[in-house]
Amino acid sequence: SQTIHQWPATLVQPVGSPLSLECTVEGTSNPNLYWYRQAAGRGLQLLFYSVGIGQISSEVPQNLSASRPQDRQFILSSKKLLLSDSGFYLCAWNGHLNTGELFFGEGSRLTVL
Amino acid sequence: AQSVAQPEDQVNVAEGNPLTVKCTYSVSGNPYLFWYVQYPNRGLQFLLKYITGDNLVKGSYGFEAEFNKSQTSFHLKKPSALVSDSALYFCAVRDEGGGNKLTFGTGTQLKVEL
Repeated sequence: SQTIHQWPATLVQPVGSPLSLECTVEGTSNPNLYWYRQAAGRGLQLLFYSVGIGQISSEVPQNLSASRPQDRQFILSSKKLLLSDSGFYLCAWNGHLNTGELFFGEGSRLTVL
Repeated sequence: AQSVAQPEDQVNVAEGNPLTVKCTYSVSGNPYLFWYVQYPNRGLQFLLKYITGDNLVKGSYGFEAEFNKSQTSFHLKKPSALVSDSALYFCAVRDEGGGNKLTFGTGTQLKVEL
């Protein structure tokens, strides 16, 4: 059953506009949450991860930021999008049993024009 | 720092034949290794993992993987490929820096043909 949700599924935004992608997890508490970006349909790059409310670790310097305002909510944002921000953004969590693997949402495809 | 390498961008196999998707890893300690599958415009689905124990790991949809410490490899295998197995496959290793993070390979596109 799907317990992680992402929206919107698809987004087309002009350069310089703001961004907000949302990820929520159901039926758990205090999950680890992750944002990955997949460019050009291939490799995944970890952008941010969070082990609790208000706790954000940034893996790479970039035009994006992340926030965790609630225990099961993880938001990816930008104040001004760049063309290079286009990609497939995947949210993940560590699962109920926390046995090492991550479980991914269905992704949000962002196109910046 | 940990890393995984997937040396093949694409693997083609006929339906009914065995398939192998290669992965090699580099870690300083004991490796935690994973395989995922991704269908077009979808999220990643977890297939299997190696943490410790038996070197042959069985996973979802008939896939298995063989951990080989001496060759630092973790190849994904299936005895008989299906057309529906056609997808993008990722190998991953757990980061040694904590946080339960995963570092992914660049992916291998598997194409199974009739």
